[in-house]
Amino acid sequence: KQEVTQIPAALSVPEGENLVLNCSFTDSAIYNLQWFRQDPGKGLTSLLLIQSSQREQTSGRLNASLDKSSGRSTLYIAASQPGDSATYLCAVSNSGGYQKVTFGTGTKLQVIP
Amino acid sequence: GAVVSQHPSWVICKSGTSVKIECRSLDFQATTMFWYRQFPKQSLMLMATSNEGSKATYEQGVEKDKFLINHASLTLSTLTVTSAHPEDSSFYICRAVRGLAGGGSYEQYFGPGTRLTVT
Repeated sequence: KQEVTQIPAALSVPEGENLVLNCSFTDSAIYNLQWFRQDPGKGLTSLLLIQSSQREQTSGRLNASLDKSSGRSTLYIAASQPGDSATYLCAVSNSGGYQKVTFGTGTKLQVIP
Repeated sequence: GAVVSQHPSWVICKSGTSVKIECRSLDFQATTMFWYRQFPKQSLMLMATSNEGSKATYEQGVEKDKFLINHASLTLSTLTVTSAHPEDSSFYICRAVRGLAGGGSYEQYFGPGTRLTVT
């Protein structure tokens, strides 16, 4: 059974700081890994999708890396802004079919102006 | 990119009533749809998987008679919460998937979610 853990559970940083969110998973036989943000009371906004054959993906100030062998992914946010405040979720899709997506526990980020 | 919509986006209902939530894939045919729920301050948990034209498969601990799922077409799946109780108050999100040609690859899109509050 895939288990996905995110550390830290909560993070508070001053505006402008670079930060790293971590995601670890127990089963390395993944199809892809996706990072989402979720604003309070809202749905999921997809940020980055990394296929199992890729090492990283970048979009603007965001960079996500994937190391399948160690079961880890990181989301790097450069020059953080108050608008980045949200909960960040990583979600792992297992290979061998698309039956299961396991979500991480989430990291609640607060960027202080 | 493909869009998945959910309706309603939020709903308040009285205890004992039933509520239907729709999940539509707007510009692609979803062979499989998944329903998740999220309790406050928790992550999303898979409730059930539905394939078009067949019965849904429920995760352990999810009551199939309480959470009725219908996947009548490749663009529509519905989740009906029957005899709702306050403990059913949650955020419900659907995920629509379509397989791509060759190699078992697929695309997935999440709906925006439905906030259900049972009073």
